[in-house]
Amino acid sequence: QKEVEQDPGPLSVPEGAIVSLNCTYSNSAFQYFMWYRQYSRKGPELLMYTYSSGNKEDGRFTAQVDKSSKYISLFIRDSQPSDSATYLCAMTLGTDSWGKLQFGAGTQVVVTP
Amino acid sequence: EADIYQTPRYLVIGTGKKITLECSQTMGHDKMYWYQQDPGMELHLIHYSYGVNSTEKGDLSSESTVSRIRTEHFPLTLESARPSHTSQYLCASSALSGRYNEQFFGPGTRLTVL
Repeated sequence: QKEVEQDPGPLSVPEGAIVSLNCTYSNSAFQYFMWYRQYSRKGPELLMYTYSSGNKEDGRFTAQVDKSSKYISLFIRDSQPSDSATYLCAMTLGTDSWGKLQFGAGTQVVVTP
Repeated sequence: EADIYQTPRYLVIGTGKKITLECSQTMGHDKMYWYQQDPGMELHLIHYSYGVNSTEKGDLSSESTVSRIRTEHFPLTLESARPSHTSQYLCASSALSGRYNEQFFGPGTRLTVL
């Protein structure tokens, strides 16, 4: 069983729709949760990170963490064609792990005009 | 914008050749990482380094080797390439301290071994 499960998609939505992405994980010791965005032929770039449970908002993006359910989500409001990319969730135990991240497989998102 | 570079971006090579994938960063980061990424699969950590002269193997077994002689440079070498080494290789770096670990990624090297 993988430590982090993420639906690979593809997830196709019309422009302006809300995109909902999620990951589940098995290790309850994870403390930091990240979402990376990866455009085709590029490396991943950090979108947002959250510590422990709770919500975090940054512009059109909202990240949620529910540690009791071992479930994290990313919502993209008013989606744009430029949001078309693969979104990777990642998580880490914290500073003791020396920064070793556990990634999900990524969800491909396509926003159609 | 992150300043981490990888060369070559694309490499097609025959079986048995020795190859070195270059990675350099100008951010002064102590930690550096190599990941392997296959389509539809999660990134797998194959090597990491805490600093100069420090290298460790990651979670995914790899026949490649790395070195860290300078802070900014973290090359990956395959002594004898095989078709099973065909993959995308991503280099990343992060600062040594901090409560969370933002890793900055390079653009990747797409390796094809024939």
